[in-house]
Amino acid sequence: AQSVAQPEDQVNVAEGNPLTVKCTYSVSGNPYLFWYVQYPNRGLQFLLKYITGDNLVKGSYGFEAEFNKSQTSFHLKKPSALVSDSALYFCAVRVDNYGQNFVFGPGTRLSVLP
Amino acid sequence: DTAVSQTPKYLVTQMGNDKSIKCEQNLGHDTMYWYKQDSKKFLKIMFSYNNKELIINETVPNRFSPKSPDKAHLNLHINSLELGDSAVYFCASSQVGGLNQPQHFGDGTRLSIL
Repeated sequence: AQSVAQPEDQVNVAEGNPLTVKCTYSVSGNPYLFWYVQYPNRGLQFLLKYITGDNLVKGSYGFEAEFNKSQTSFHLKKPSALVSDSALYFCAVRVDNYGQNFVFGPGTRLSVLP
Repeated sequence: DTAVSQTPKYLVTQMGNDKSIKCEQNLGHDTMYWYKQDSKKFLKIMFSYNNKELIINETVPNRFSPKSPDKAHLNLHINSLELGDSAVYFCASSQVGGLNQPQHFGDGTRLSIL
């Protein structure tokens, strides 16, 4: 079965430090991977995606993600965390051939401490 | 301009009632979705419509009936509401067709069953 795992429910990091939010996936065929962020009482917002090409993908708000095929991972990173980055982060994978069906990970709550 | 808008934002009602949630997108997308986010923030797809045609119908009780009058609208009607229906329901849209475009989410409808 195609799935996404986010092994950490919660990640705490000090402001100014680098952050990593982990994601691993299991899909048949080529993986199409996405990261979204959810702020309180808001819908999910797209951060970045990996389709093909460079393993390091750059996205919104200074975030980037590294695709690692051998480890089936797609970890989200940022060199210097901001308090305003505190939110819920979801990794997602496309699971059909037409881009209409997605499976989301369980989410990781990121807290950036001042 | 709001890209994906849902109404109402909050819905509090009694068990057994019938209610509807409306969704509209002004992005010109051809595909719309309904997701359910439970109290643990787990996000699961319920339905997907492409050009007014039902594409995805996950294992959802038949008390839930989506209706898409046109490409820009996808409404969700729920009959005989149960306590377990309490959740946040998100509408989303995207443009599919091999480009792996991300989904755009509304801000959710918080449904509480008394």
